[in-house]
Amino acid sequence: RKEVEQDPGPFNVPEGATVAFNCTYSNSASQSFFWYRQDCRKEPKLLMSVYSSGNEDGRFTAQLNRASQYISLLIRDSKLSDSATYLCVVNRGGGSYIPTFGRGTSLIVHP
Amino acid sequence: DVKVTQSSRYLVKRTGEKVFLECVQDMDHENMFWYRQDPGLGLRLIYFSYDVKMKEKGDIPEGYSVSREKKERFSLILESASTNQTSMYLCASSTTGFGSYEQYFGPGTRLTVT
Repeated sequence: RKEVEQDPGPFNVPEGATVAFNCTYSNSASQSFFWYRQDCRKEPKLLMSVYSSGNEDGRFTAQLNRASQYISLLIRDSKLSDSATYLCVVNRGGGSYIPTFGRGTSLIVHP
Repeated sequence: DVKVTQSSRYLVKRTGEKVFLECVQDMDHENMFWYRQDPGLGLRLIYFSYDVKMKEKGDIPEGYSVSREKKERFSLILESASTNQTSMYLCASSTTGFGSYEQYFGPGTRLTVT
């Protein structure tokens, strides 16, 4: 089992749609979880951290399920500018600051 | 505004050449990282450093070495470039401290080895 697994997509959705991505991780000792966004030919940038209680930032909601070892990202009211690759990132266990990146999920929002 | 810079955006080298990729961060971060990114494989960690002159192997260190003589600078060295090292190389930095694990990336260097 890969350490961090994501569906590569692409997810092709119309503007205004709600779309959700899941990511599973294998290391039960992991304590820090993130979603990064990577635009085409650009570097990854932090989108949001994922907290145990779940967190929301505008149209974006991230949730963590420790029991099942997955994290999710929900995007509401999709915009054309949301088109990007979304990377799930899980830090290696025991408070480590060393991340493991998923391979990314591609999102294409069309008019 | 935080900044990570890399010495080149595009680089073309010949097989067997020694290649230096430079990364500089201006955020006084303790940790620095080198990744390569390939289609379908995602970001893979080559080496990282948590302090000056300290280095640790990542997941794919073979064929690479690193140098960190100053806190702000982290160099990736390909001792003898090979075609399978053609890739996008990304440098990142982060600070140390609970919850402060955000990685800041440079713009990347697209290396082609012919």
